[in-house]
Amino acid sequence: EAGVAQSPRYKIIEKRQSVAFWCNPISGHATLYWYQQILGQGPKLLIQFQNNGVVDDSQLPKDRFSAERLKGVDSTLKIQPAKLEDSAVYLCASSLGRDTDTQYFGPGTRLTVL
Amino acid sequence: GNSVTQMEGPVTLSEEAFLTINCTYTATGYPSLFWYVQYPGEGLQLLLKATKADDKGSNKGFEATYRKETTSFHLEKGSVQVSDSAVYFCALSPNDYKLSFGAGTTVTVRA
Repeated sequence: EAGVAQSPRYKIIEKRQSVAFWCNPISGHATLYWYQQILGQGPKLLIQFQNNGVVDDSQLPKDRFSAERLKGVDSTLKIQPAKLEDSAVYLCASSLGRDTDTQYFGPGTRLTVL
Repeated sequence: GNSVTQMEGPVTLSEEAFLTINCTYTATGYPSLFWYVQYPGEGLQLLLKATKADDKGSNKGFEATYRKETTSFHLEKGSVQVSDSAVYFCALSPNDYKLSFGAGTTVTVRA
């Protein structure tokens, strides 16, 4: 079975530019998560989707970050405008359902903001 | 709130040595507990988990026991290999299934 796919794997931008990350979860997984992992720290949940609806976006900096999962399958996370402190690895994960506690992670996108 | 505290690294060991990574947690109720591993250049992978007190999770020679009385979930392996070099994350998930991670412990095993 194919795992969680993410692209791009690496991205370098200058501050104030915009950037978008894409995630395709494991087929049939209803729940999708975006995490931010700053160097030397554990991943921090940004947003959780159940199908195409948002379950939790309490940790998402909504003034600059946005995410969507329009058809309940793949998802896009956008940052506009980017700040230096947004440099991190952005991880996407999926699970079968909201009541399933095992999450499967993609390889991540490493963002560097200069 | 929910939080996880892990032993700070980095940890450097020789092959066949015994590995312990300490993990303690703070949570309301009875969360599920996990160890995730991140090998160089790869994504996070679930290593093992335990869903209730006194459960023991095990995989690839690693073990961890859910200790409610000490709020701990320490990871152990009796004989490490070079291929075990990775970053290890302890995590918890309360009833709402949101994962809270520790900061990670980098383990390097030398031949």
